[in-house]
Amino acid sequence: AAGVIQSPRHLIKEKRETATLKCYPIPRHDTVYWYQQGPGQDPQFLISFYEKMQSDKGSIPDRFSAQQFSDYHSELNMSSLELGDSALYFCASSGTGGRVTDTQYFGPGTRLTVL
Amino acid sequence: DAKTTQPTSMDCAEGRAANLPCNHSTISGNEYVYWYRQIHSQGPQYIIHGLKNNETNEMASLIITEDRKSSTLILPHATLRDTAVYYCIVRVEVGGSEKLVFGKGTKLTVNP
Repeated sequence: AAGVIQSPRHLIKEKRETATLKCYPIPRHDTVYWYQQGPGQDPQFLISFYEKMQSDKGSIPDRFSAQQFSDYHSELNMSSLELGDSALYFCASSGTGGRVTDTQYFGPGTRLTVL
Repeated sequence: DAKTTQPTSMDCAEGRAANLPCNHSTISGNEYVYWYRQIHSQGPQYIIHGLKNNETNEMASLIITEDRKSSTLILPHATLRDTAVYYCIVRVEVGGSEKLVFGKGTKLTVNP
């Protein structure tokens, strides 16, 4: 079965640069979530979108923005990167795409390293 | 904040059942108990969820006490590949857009 796709899988940036992470949800899923997991930490919710509208917001820095497009894929844009932004970024999706309804399924993550 | 309490770590022998407990004493009537696991830096993997009744699927069984204040995830025949951090999460299921709040989880180590 198709899973959540994230790209890139690894990303290395310098401080103050920008980064864009992409997430392609499971087909027919209409909700996308972004989570951040710092080293040795548990995943923390950043933001979510339902039908291309922001549905919830967590502790997402103002330097970060995200959106969901008409094909339901989502992008997380991160500007003025700081060393503390180094983390795993997971995208999850949910919906009625043939699996357990409304359960979140996670992608493999993007490992961002800020030097 | 996470609404659940789990042991920090547990060990299990390969081939034996792994029973992972979770306390959620403040759970509300419309909140479900979800279990996810994370195998070393991979994306969290959905295991099972339930509201009141015990549930079973191809991965595990979920036993929820009658008062719903605690639950136990059972992996019937643990393998080395089940070594992971297991998260018990309480979540309201309203239209499917409710975020997951991860607590500390239980680090399960399956030993040969």
